[in-house]
Amino acid sequence: GENVEQHPSTLSVQEGDSAVIKCTYSDSASNYFPWYKQELGKRPQLIIDIRSNVGEKKDQRIAVTLNKTAKHFSLHITETQPEDSAVYFCAGGGGNKLTFGTGTQLKVEL
Amino acid sequence: DAGVIQSPRHEVTEMGQEVTLRCKPISGHNSLFWYRQTMMRGLELLIYFNNNVPIDDSGMPEDRFSAKMPNASFSTLKIQPSEPRDSAVYFCASGRTLGGNEQFFGPGTRLTVL
Repeated sequence: GENVEQHPSTLSVQEGDSAVIKCTYSDSASNYFPWYKQELGKRPQLIIDIRSNVGEKKDQRIAVTLNKTAKHFSLHITETQPEDSAVYFCAGGGGNKLTFGTGTQLKVEL
Repeated sequence: DAGVIQSPRHEVTEMGQEVTLRCKPISGHNSLFWYRQTMMRGLELLIYFNNNVPIDDSGMPEDRFSAKMPNASFSTLKIQPSEPRDSAVYFCASGRTLGGNEQFFGPGTRLTVL
């Protein structure tokens, strides 16, 4: 089955700086890679996703890149704000099933 | 759109009791997923359904766990008998098989087994 690894487990940045979270996957058949944001005590919420026929996707301050050859994908958040503080999960899969990474606790400090 | 609805939001029970968690997926979605989240194990897929049929239950930890989806708008996850190590947040998510793989999560049920 799919195995998704995520790094780092914690990330602290200054407000206004950029944050990068990286994930690798094992199953070359995986073709869908979403990113979820989970605030404390809340549900995971989809913030951006990318499919294997695309190398990069942007949505305002967030972007995701995918390298199919190396089997890794990354989340980039620019101009970080305090409200970006949360746990971020990457996931990978094909068909319906998703395998989630272990999460990155992002803290944006004032 | 009401989103995915789960009940109860919190459940405290004693070891050995039966626990039933409920989920109503988003109308029009034909895939439903049950996840368990703990600090130690992260977010784990327990089981998922397509068109009310269980497709993959390889994540169900033990025979004490069972899930049903009698119709397109309702699913249950049952633990019988419950144990303290079952304490976790249980999320239900739904999605559409046609039109993408996006999964939308419900608010979760926080289960505490004493």
